[in-house]
Amino acid sequence: QQQVKQSPQSLIVQKGGIPIINCAYENTAFDYFPWYQQFPGKGPALLIAIRPDVSEKKEGRFTISFNKSAKQFSLHIMDSQPGDSATYFCAANPPQTSGSRLTFGEGTQLTVNP
Amino acid sequence: NAGVTQTPKFQVLKTGQSMTLQCAQDMNHEYMSWYRQDPGMGLRLIHYSVGAGITDQGEVPNGYNVSRSTTEDFPLRLLSAAPSQTSVYFCASSHRATEAFFGQGTRLTVV
Repeated sequence: QQQVKQSPQSLIVQKGGIPIINCAYENTAFDYFPWYQQFPGKGPALLIAIRPDVSEKKEGRFTISFNKSAKQFSLHIMDSQPGDSATYFCAANPPQTSGSRLTFGEGTQLTVNP
Repeated sequence: NAGVTQTPKFQVLKTGQSMTLQCAQDMNHEYMSWYRQDPGMGLRLIHYSVGAGITDQGEVPNGYNVSRSTTEDFPLRLLSAAPSQTSVYFCASSHRATEAFFGQGTRLTVV
């Protein structure tokens, strides 16, 4: 049972576009929602994370929007660049487990064309 | 500071063989985890540990064993490899209330 559902599976945008990746979760006990970026042949690396007490968080060109009542959160990448081409994963974590028990979405392969 | 180190990077096994995937971290993190990554399925938790001597099962534990005798090391054992265990395996570590750091992965093929 996939407790975190992610869409779309793949996404192609032009340089400067704003790709949006969406995730929905089922377990209301989750209290930590990170986004990971993965390049081919590498391990996932944390991009940005949010906790459910805030509705939005920005770090540089990356923004998470969080809707607790709808159990949904999304990643927006402003002014996307070809170097942002990677696979992006949303995830969720139960409380008091410090990122050690992540449930991941299926992943979105993003391509940013020059 | 090496972070999370996984060995080997690549491995080919025959069905029924056993092997151990090594994971070591030098950040003094209490929490360590093993995930497998399969196309279209994201990463799925196999086993995790909240400290030396303490381990527990994740979402897909069958066919895998773990132990945590030290804070630094968290090996994953495949007792009798099966083709369904062909995957990319990632080890991760984290400190309380901080992000999880992932290793570079081990690509395992079982033939």
